Amino acid sequence: GAGVSQTPSNKVTEKGKYVELRCDPISGHTALYWYRQSLGQGPEFLIYFQGTGAADDSGLPNDRFFAVRPEGSVSTLKIQRTERGDSAVYLCASSFLAGNWDTQYFGPGTRLTVL
Amino acid sequence: GNSVTQMEGPVTLSEEAFLTINCTYTATGYPSLFWYVQYPGEGLQLLLKATKADDKGSNKGFEATYRKETTSFHLEKGSVQVSDSAVYFCALSDETSGSRLTFGEGTQLTVNP
Repeated sequence: GAGVSQTPSNKVTEKGKYVELRCDPISGHTALYWYRQSLGQGPEFLIYFQGTGAADDSGLPNDRFFAVRPEGSVSTLKIQRTERGDSAVYLCASSFLAGNWDTQYFGPGTRLTVL
Repeated sequence: GNSVTQMEGPVTLSEEAFLTINCTYTATGYPSLFWYVQYPGEGLQLLLKATKADDKGSNKGFEATYRKETTSFHLEKGSVQVSDSAVYFCALSDETSGSRLTFGEGTQLTVNP
């Protein structure tokens, strides 16, 4: 596709459940990023992949959050035992390379609501 | 650590007014600076960027100059349109933080006809 796509666009779940959020980056982009955006705030970094490996996962809030990118393209963000505080828009971005000058292209986001 | 501070919003202007949205930053290394825009119902889009001191980024009539001496990257437009109504985010990345972007809180701009 032409841009970064994310599915689902909306996810409503109950406290304690497990969720998976998917990101399909721009074809050929080697770097992939996950951010979380709470209402009225700017996005906050979660994790970044260079190829298949997580190059920086220091933004993950705790061990309930995990992400994979097994073939260096599509990535899945996994959240176990969801809590109400996890409710936010989860954004995925990709870039051709991983330099700090490279433009990151963002997907439309997945809005997660934990009841 | 790195941080970005944006002027408090929301900002409401009439069409053709001059726009300034202030952005200042704190960075450990030598950052690249970005303005992203989020139109209603859409994802974040890069508006402009500057990668070194004194560079000016420009796009769609918007401009911002990387001022190292004042650690600022203020966004300006000479004549805003209704279609510019959106949320604007200032962001930075530098080599000490890898490739992660650090964002400001965003400024909501509403332009009235």
